[in-house]
Amino acid sequence: DTGVSQNPRHKITKRGQNVTFRCDPISEHNRLYWYRQTLGQGPEFLTYFQNEAQLEKSRLLSDRFSAERPKGSFSTLEIQRTEQGDSAMYLCASSIGGAGNTQYFGPGTRLTVL
Amino acid sequence: DQQVKQNSPSLSVQEGRISILNCDYTNSMFDYFLWYKKYPAEGPTFLISISSIKDKNEDGRFTVFLNKSAKHLSLHIVPSQPGDSAVYFCAAFWGGYNNNDMRFGAGTRLTVKP
Repeated sequence: DTGVSQNPRHKITKRGQNVTFRCDPISEHNRLYWYRQTLGQGPEFLTYFQNEAQLEKSRLLSDRFSAERPKGSFSTLEIQRTEQGDSAMYLCASSIGGAGNTQYFGPGTRLTVL
Repeated sequence: DQQVKQNSPSLSVQEGRISILNCDYTNSMFDYFLWYKKYPAEGPTFLISISSIKDKNEDGRFTVFLNKSAKHLSLHIVPSQPGDSAVYFCAAFWGGYNNNDMRFGAGTRLTVKP
């Protein structure tokens, strides 16, 4: 399977704990994006990488959130001191660079903060 | 700020008939528009896209129409099939090289009845 993969698919944690999600993009894609989706809403942009460089961050990405893509391949999204409001589906997408690029999504990681 | 709006949360059509899903946007800078389909427990799947230099793009049973003056686009599915039942998201972004902040509508749940 050469699509975008995300792990874990589900994560349940207690408030205050740290969690980390992983995304493996399509291999030839140099852009990688993180989105968050809550019930009844469309995905909301969080951040994106061009290779290993994080080029844009949404104001939704609070100080408790950090994303990395150290070697320009897979990426991790860490949430520190989780809050119940962090409960959502976290989606990763990847694309080839350039204007008009189509983003292809992974299956998402569903986070539940108790 | 909701720059992409899907005002119909749900739509139900009979198998074989046409499904028309609508989307409005407010940001005149958007020049690429996409439709994604989402099944439960899966990430959004890219369906079809259109750039602002066109007013129509067709792919099999799916056609997207863009009316730039009205800032409106629609997705037509003809004929509709039960397997088309899913949530459909409209998305838009400005295709400038360093701007990849794609905005999504809240989605329309399509149900195709046999």
